[in-house]
Amino acid sequence: EAGVTQSPRYAVLQEGQAVSFWCDPISGHDTLYWYQQPRDQGPQLLVYFRDEAVIDNSQLPSDRFSAVRPKGTNSTLKIQSAKQGDTATYLCASSSRGLYAEQFFGPGTRLTVL
Amino acid sequence: GDSVTQTEGQVTVSESKSLIINCTYSATSIGYPNLFWYVRYPGEGLQLLLKVITAGQKGSSRGFEATYNKEATSFHLQKASVQESDSAVYYCALSDGNMGYKLTFGTGTSLLVDP
Repeated sequence: EAGVTQSPRYAVLQEGQAVSFWCDPISGHDTLYWYQQPRDQGPQLLVYFRDEAVIDNSQLPSDRFSAVRPKGTNSTLKIQSAKQGDTATYLCASSSRGLYAEQFFGPGTRLTVL
Repeated sequence: GDSVTQTEGQVTVSESKSLIINCTYSATSIGYPNLFWYVRYPGEGLQLLLKVITAGQKGSSRGFEATYNKEATSFHLQKASVQESDSAVYYCALSDGNMGYKLTFGTGTSLLVDP
């Protein structure tokens, strides 16, 4: 069974540029998460979906970040105007429905904003 | 809000020696949180090592153990005899016991096992 896949694996931008990250979850997983992991910190949840609905986006900087999952499968996270403080690894995870369902993580996209 | 503290950023242990990685937590929700250890081996993605959802219980996997201590609010990771292949970054995490979907992670502990 294929795991969670993400692309691109790396991105380097100048401040003010836009970037999109793409995630393909494990087939059949209805819940999808996006995490931001700055260097030397743990992952921090940005947003999560159940099917196509956003369940919690309270930690997503809404002025520049957006996330969609239109058909309840793949998802895209976009940064409209990147800042140096956005430099981090962006992780996607998916899980099946259930309170204690394990989250499976993708390899991440490492973003550097110059 | 919820928080997880890992005091050691990096630990070096000789092969076959014992290991303990400290983790304490603070949870604001009613009820007890679920506790997890995740691991990232070099070149690989983050993966679940073990989890415990009931206070007082112990979880184990791959020779590692962790006991959910609600009085001390701790969930330390231990192994009696480490191997070089255990070199990795270990993250302690919790989720709300009532809404188990959101994980709160610690800052991680990088373990280097000397052969």
